[in-house]
Parts: sequence; C-alpha cells; structure tokens
Amino acid sequence: SQTIHQWPATLVQPVGSPLSLECTVEGTSNPNLYWYRQAAGRGLQLLFYSVGIGQISSEVPQNLSASRPQDRQFILSSKKLLLSDSGFYLCAWSVGGSNQPQHFGDGTRLSIL
Amino acid sequence: GQSLEQPSEVTAVEGAIVQINCTYQTSGFYGLSWYQQHDGGAPTFLSYNALDGLEETGRFSSFLSRSDSYGYLLLQELQMKDSASYFCAALNAGNNRKLIWGLGTSLAVNP
Repeated sequence: SQTIHQWPATLVQPVGSPLSLECTVEGTSNPNLYWYRQAAGRGLQLLFYSVGIGQISSEVPQNLSASRPQDRQFILSSKKLLLSDSGFYLCAWSVGGSNQPQHFGDGTRLSIL
Repeated sequence: GQSLEQPSEVTAVEGAIVQINCTYQTSGFYGLSWYQQHDGGAPTFLSYNALDGLEETGRFSSFLSRSDSYGYLLLQELQMKDSASYFCAALNAGNNRKLIWGLGTSLAVNP
C-alpha cells in the first residue's frame, strides 16, 4: 500500500532563517505531488505541484520554492522566512496521470518568531 | 472564476443525520472529493464522486449531480468523533490534476 511521510511535524524558526521541509511517498511510481499551506481556521492553499522529476509548477508567487530531486521526493524550501510564512504545511500525492483523489501527509506546523 | 461554496458551520446531536452541501463552479470538472480534518490534523480522504449518484461508505455517503453542479456529504448516526471540518474539493481538468477547495464546514456534534 502507499504511504506518505512528511517531516518534521513541528518547526519553530526565526525570521530570515532558511527552510527545508521534506516529503516522500512509498508504494507508487511517478505520483503527482503537491505542497499546500493552511492558515489557522482557513482552507487549503495550493503552493506547488509536480507531475514528474524536475517538473514544478508554482501557484502562488512568494519566497518559497519547491524541488523534486527524485521520483517520490518533494521538498519545500525558503532562503529567508517571513512572519507570514507561518502555517500548517501539507504534502499530498495522487496517482500519476489519473483522476484519483489526493492523499495527505501528517503536515508540518511551522511557527516563525 | 472557479469556486466551491459550502456552509461554514453545522451543528447536530449524536445519532442524528446531517447533510453538508457543496455547489461548485469550475471549468473542466472531473469529480468531487470530500475530506475530513480534525483540529490539528491533516485532511483525510472520505469519498470521491466521478459520476452522478450516491456513493456509500459505511456511515458516510456522498452524492453528485453534474447537471446541478452540486454535491453533498451525508453523515448518519453521528458520533462525537465526527466533530471536525469537512471540505469539498473539485478535481480540475488538465495534466496537473489540481483540486479546487471549498473553505470547509465545521461540524459540531453535541451530546
């Protein structure tokens, strides 16, 4: 069966520091991969999605970036965090080339001080 | 534009039945998904309707009418643990398989 791992679960970072969140998927090949952010009490905002290695599409221009160095690895990064980057970051996957639903990792709660 | 509308809050009592409606306006619609999210947790997939009609999974059912751009999630025999936020999400056309999300419905189940 397929599983998705996301870490760390919580992270506290100072303003201006770099960020690296990692997500890996097991049990499937060539998945679609997604990064979302959710502010407290709000809906999900799609940040990036990827349909293959090295293929990244950005939905919202900001100081975040994403990379997919391997088929089942998706990384969210920032060179300098802003206060507004605080939130709940969620990685998700879906079966590549299909209309199957997305499934989420456990999320990373990021607090910027 | 593309959007989904669902009620912001619903309250019900244990053992009752509740229906959460979702209307959508999207281009290239493929299907409607429902997700449950408990406070502090990640969304978990509940159901997906690609065709018109009712899909039943235990106490939860989901319905879709493409002609009305409308769907609903039906929760039966409500339990306290069903208190959570419920999101509808429309699967969009294209190679990216993007989801267009509603803002979520907060369900409170009272004793």
